[in-house]
Amino acid sequence: AQSVAQPEDQVNVAEGNPLTVKCTYSVSGNPYLFWYVQYPNRGLQFLLKYITGDNLVKGSYGFEAEFNKSQTSFHLKKPSALVSDSALYFCAVSPNNNAGNMLTFGGGTRLMVKP
Amino acid sequence: GAGVSQSPSNKVTEKGKDVELRCDPISGHTALYWYRQSLGQGLEFLIYFQGNSAPDKSGLPSDRFSAERTGGSVSTLTIQRTQQEDSAVYLCASSLGLAGVHTQYFGPGTRLTVL
Repeated sequence: AQSVAQPEDQVNVAEGNPLTVKCTYSVSGNPYLFWYVQYPNRGLQFLLKYITGDNLVKGSYGFEAEFNKSQTSFHLKKPSALVSDSALYFCAVSPNNNAGNMLTFGGGTRLMVKP
Repeated sequence: GAGVSQSPSNKVTEKGKDVELRCDPISGHTALYWYRQSLGQGLEFLIYFQGNSAPDKSGLPSDRFSAERTGGSVSTLTIQRTQQEDSAVYLCASSLGLAGVHTQYFGPGTRLTVL
């Protein structure tokens, strides 16, 4: 069975500072890893994904994530946070197979960026 | 192009009534997924379709839940004899195919409240 852990329920950061939202996973084989963001009363919006290749993945709105196989982590980062980045962030994993590839999500991390 | 759309956006119903939730995927996307987002359970997978076929229904919480997809496009999630624990946001996603490399794009969700 696959699982995702987001150890922080909330991350607080000042505008202009770098941010990190942590994610660790457990899955058999080589995983597909995703980050989604959810704004209030909205669905999930895709940010970025790791499939294969470079461990550093760049995505929308200046976000990036680093795949670390030895630590089974896929932390989301941004060099300079904006107030508008405040939202709920979900890490997700999909198994590398053809049996549906449904996403397993972490519990979510609320990012609060203060001016 | 148009994203995934869901209707209704909000549904309030009385315990014991049946409800139907609709999902209209991105045109050309053969895979369609239903998830549920609730305070207690986080984001959980319900069912997926490849074309009109749903090979795995094990994620459905009970036999009161059913889903169908017709014409390889629109999908309907039906909940019979609703219970208060069914209150949640029901999210639909679609992707080009089942393979994990394909990104799942989410609709805005249907917020279901069972009184």
